[in-house]
Amino acid sequence: QKEVEQNSGPLSVPEGAIASLNCTYSDRGSQSFFWYRQYSGKSPELIMSIYSNGDKEDGRFTAQLNKASQYVSLLIRDSQPSDSATYLCAVNRMDTGRRALTFGSGTRLQVQP
Amino acid sequence: EAEVAQSPRYKITEKSQAVAFWCDPISGHATLYWYRQILGQGPELLVQFQDESVVDDSQLPKDRFSAERLKGVDSTLKIQPAELGDSAMYLCASSSNPGQGYGYTFGSGTRLTVV
Repeated sequence: QKEVEQNSGPLSVPEGAIASLNCTYSDRGSQSFFWYRQYSGKSPELIMSIYSNGDKEDGRFTAQLNKASQYVSLLIRDSQPSDSATYLCAVNRMDTGRRALTFGSGTRLQVQP
Repeated sequence: EAEVAQSPRYKITEKSQAVAFWCDPISGHATLYWYRQILGQGPELLVQFQDESVVDDSQLPKDRFSAERLKGVDSTLKIQPAELGDSAMYLCASSSNPGQGYGYTFGSGTRLTVV
């Protein structure tokens, strides 16, 4: 079982719709959760972080965390063609010596004009 | 805005040759990471430095890969000899305080093609 699992997609949504991206993780000790956006051929860019259960909103982005279900999601409201990219979920633990982020394989999002 | 600098951006090398990548983290960031990202996959950690010390290199193929951060600032990742399977994007990232669980900033990466 992979530590961080994401559906590879592509997830296709029409412009203006809500895109919902999901991620599950296996390590119950995970404490920090991140969403990165990666355009083709570019490096990942941090867009959201979440540390406690519930929702966290930042502009058109909402991150949701449910530690009991080991589930993280990212909602993108009013999706734009410029949101078309691969979205990487990443988690880490802070109580061990290995504190580097572990990434999922990413979900490719396509926003259709 | 502060950036993580990486060079070169692209590198084509022949199988069995040596290749090196350079990274300069954001000023003041004590923690530096090297990741490898194969096309279609997520980044995978190769090595993590705290200042000049290696914190985690458990996934670094030490028979051919080496990494150093001699003065605790910039870092070099070397592959010798390169193999076809090493073709990937090599990403460097830095963080100010991983103990707080902050996300980190990636450099632009080096795209390596081994032929």
